[in-house]
Amino acid sequence: EAGVTQFPSHSVIEKGQTVTLRCDPISGHDNLYWYRRVMGKEIKFLLHFVKESKQDESGMPNNRFLAERTGGTYSTLKVQPAELEDSGVYFCASSQVGGAITDTQYFGPGTRLTVL
Amino acid sequence: QKEVEQDPGPLSVPEGAIVSLNCTYSNSAFQYFMWYRQYSRKGPELLMYTYSSGNKEDGRFTAQVDKSSKYISLFIRDSQPSDSATYLCAMTPSGTYKYIFGTGTRLKVLA
Repeated sequence: EAGVTQFPSHSVIEKGQTVTLRCDPISGHDNLYWYRRVMGKEIKFLLHFVKESKQDESGMPNNRFLAERTGGTYSTLKVQPAELEDSGVYFCASSQVGGAITDTQYFGPGTRLTVL
Repeated sequence: QKEVEQDPGPLSVPEGAIVSLNCTYSNSAFQYFMWYRQYSRKGPELLMYTYSSGNKEDGRFTAQVDKSSKYISLFIRDSQPSDSATYLCAMTPSGTYKYIFGTGTRLKVLA
């Protein structure tokens, strides 16, 4: 079974540009999560989808970040325009049911974003 | 003050040693506790989860939760060089799916 995949693995952009990150969850997983880790800090929750609906976007830093999940399958996270403080590693995770302790969140390898 | 505190290390131990990794937390609403292992340039991988206070064992790994002290631990017995990684604690209140992570502890097991 394929795990959570993320693309690209690394992106280097200049301040003010737009970047779109993509996440493909494990097949059949309705729940999809985005997290971010900035250098020296802990991994922080950004938002949670159930199928195509946003359940919780309380962690989104500001309106420069837009997440979508088309048809309840893959998800994109767009940053527009990018700022220096957006640099970090963006992780995507998915889970099958959500809410149960046995419902593990499986993480992808992350996209390393560098804003110059 | 952070909700979850974790010593970033690095922690270096000889092969075969018992490793103790710890996190403290401030939010008494946390109900579920997880330990993830992350190798360099990889995503976090779940090692263990616990719900109640007490111990849970899985092979060489033991997770311990003390809710009265707001303190969780992960013990690794007979540590191996392949255990060298960053270990992240994570927790969540009942009813939410939002994991709150510690900063992670870098562990190096020397052959």
